[in-house]
Amino acid sequence: DTAVSQTPKYLVTQMGNDKSIKCEQNLGHDTMYWYKQDSKKFLKIMFSYNNKELIINETVPNRFSPKSPDKAHLNLHINSLELGDSAVYFCASSQAGTGLNSPLHFGNGTRLTVT
Amino acid sequence: SQQGEEDPQALSIQEGENATMNCSYKTSINNLQWYRQNSGRGLVHLILIRSNEREKHSGRLRVTLDTSKKSSSLLITASRAADTASYFCATDNRDDKIIFGKGTRLHILP
Repeated sequence: DTAVSQTPKYLVTQMGNDKSIKCEQNLGHDTMYWYKQDSKKFLKIMFSYNNKELIINETVPNRFSPKSPDKAHLNLHINSLELGDSAVYFCASSQAGTGLNSPLHFGNGTRLTVT
Repeated sequence: SQQGEEDPQALSIQEGENATMNCSYKTSINNLQWYRQNSGRGLVHLILIRSNEREKHSGRLRVTLDTSKKSSSLLITASRAADTASYFCATDNRDDKIIFGKGTRLHILP
């Protein structure tokens, strides 16, 4: 059973389009995250949700909007895609709230390519 | 500002040798974790070490933490081909903000 699953695995789209990435965790965790990993492998947090409530919203363009319908799901919607949005996006979850009191469990990533 | 910085950026060693990676950070932390990332995959948690701990072991992995120097090291003993991956440290500060380093790419040569 996959603990943190995200779909799709690959996403190729044109500039200006709107796309969504879905994430689901079956670990019963209260906290979920979206991270962006650029071409140099640098991993940066975008959003953090705890029990469906937005906790962390880093400096991310408002074209990015997370949505948490329940605490097992955290989706990411991106409007008006730009070339610079090309990256790998990772969903993660943890048991013990924000911070590193417990391990983060990552999905396998969604590679977004904007042409 | 960048919190965790791994050193070296890349490391190639012969199978069977030990690999040591270092992580430095700038502000006081609550916890530090090490992760492994295989190509095309998500990060996998290896070890959590808390700010009041100095050393943790897990199998062939040994992590040390020196809060006075704001640094941590990850030692992998008796390396195997399957250890080829990127390794990241992550820290959280007093505001629970998590920051990842840029990673060390480890390549185990046969």
